[in-house]
Amino acid sequence: EIVMTQSPDTLSVSPGERVSLSCRASHSISTNLAWYQQKPGQPPRLLIHGASTRATGTPARFSGSGFGTDFTLTISSLESEDFAVYYCQQYNAWPPYSFGQGTKLQIK
Amino acid sequence: QVQLVESGGGLVQPGRSLRLSCAGSGFNFDSYAIHWVRQAPGKGLEWLAVVSDDGADASFADSVRGRFTLSRDNFKNIVSLQMNSLSPDDTAIYYCARDHGPLGYAYGEDWGQGTLVTVSA
Repeated sequence: EIVMTQSPDTLSVSPGERVSLSCRASHSISTNLAWYQQKPGQPPRLLIHGASTRATGTPARFSGSGFGTDFTLTISSLESEDFAVYYCQQYNAWPPYSFGQGTKLQIK
Repeated sequence: QVQLVESGGGLVQPGRSLRLSCAGSGFNFDSYAIHWVRQAPGKGLEWLAVVSDDGADASFADSVRGRFTLSRDNFKNIVSLQMNSLSPDDTAIYYCARDHGPLGYAYGEDWGQGTLVTVSA
């Protein structure tokens, strides 16, 4: 089973700042990685797939990068609606399609 | 537009069974695999299962294999998750999600709003 580890667990940032969230896989997953955003009371929303391809409707301020075991989600300039929990998920080797534990982005 | 609607959640006693449904609309339902993912209160996401577009193939997480089964009816555009031998650890919001493709090899492109399952005496 591939274990996904996200860091940090919580990140306090101010609107307008640039932020990077990390996701690490226990084994290489090529670029078979997705990022999701989840706001309170809502289902997850796909942001990025293939490690770096923005899903339909994902704003350009979101970008993904990485290959193998280390991945990053970057938000270039935080807007108020970006404060949420972010999850990474691998789909290279399954079952299971393991998720990271999530990173909560909160307002400083 | 793509819509997924889960139903069937509720309060159930430990050891009992429950059947959840995921109804899809706005897309060719029989061309996409469907995943189930759950989220315990205040916790992260846990992938549970996936069924292929034609229902011929299904995979499960270790935590539910042997207790949960999947079926789909492409005439009614419904995927069903049969959950047996439920325990309090199964208490969660259960989401269904449409895969990017037919076989379930990818990610959840669209998600339903979820249905809450509470297992308690």
